[in-house]
Amino acid sequence: RKEVEQDPGPFNVPEGATVAFNCTYSNSASQSFFWYRQDCRKEPKLLMSVYSSGNEDGRFTAQLNRASQYISLLIRDSKLSDSATYLCVVNMGTGFQKLVFGTGTRLLVSP
Amino acid sequence: DTAVSQTPKYLVTQMGNDKSIKCEQNLGHDTMYWYKQDSKKFLKIMFSYNNKELIINETVPNRFSPKSPDKAHLNLHINSLELGDSAVYFCASSRTGSTNEKLFFGSGTQLSVL
Repeated sequence: RKEVEQDPGPFNVPEGATVAFNCTYSNSASQSFFWYRQDCRKEPKLLMSVYSSGNEDGRFTAQLNRASQYISLLIRDSKLSDSATYLCVVNMGTGFQKLVFGTGTRLLVSP
Repeated sequence: DTAVSQTPKYLVTQMGNDKSIKCEQNLGHDTMYWYKQDSKKFLKIMFSYNNKELIINETVPNRFSPKSPDKAHLNLHINSLELGDSAVYFCASSRTGSTNEKLFFGSGTQLSVL
């Protein structure tokens, strides 16, 4: 089993749609979780951290289910500029940062 | 000013050659990393350094040798390059290296081994 698993997509959605991505992770002891965004031929950039109680940042909502070892990202009112690859990231280090990245889910938002 | 800068952006070389990639961060961070993103876009950690000390070495072949002359720099030297080394290499940094910190990535070095 991969340490962090995501559906690679692509997810093709029209502007204004709501889309959700899921991710599962293997290490039940993991404590820190993130979503990063990577545009084509660019470096990954932090989109948002994922907190146990769930958190929202504008049109983006992240959820964590520790019992199921599952993380989700919801994007509401999709924009063309949301087209990118969304990377689920889990810290697998104990006491230090060792981020393990999923292979990413590609999102294409069309007019 | 670019926070994490790496050079060169593109590197094309022959099998068997030795090459280096340089990375510098001007954020005052203590921890720096090298990640490799292969042709399937899978991003995997190779090394991390905290204040010039090696923290993570992810079973990378010893042809890869990171060097950190100071905490603002982490260079990657690769000996006897192989076809399978072709990838995009990303340098990154974080403030202290603790578990919930944001990583700042450089723009990547695309290495092509012919």
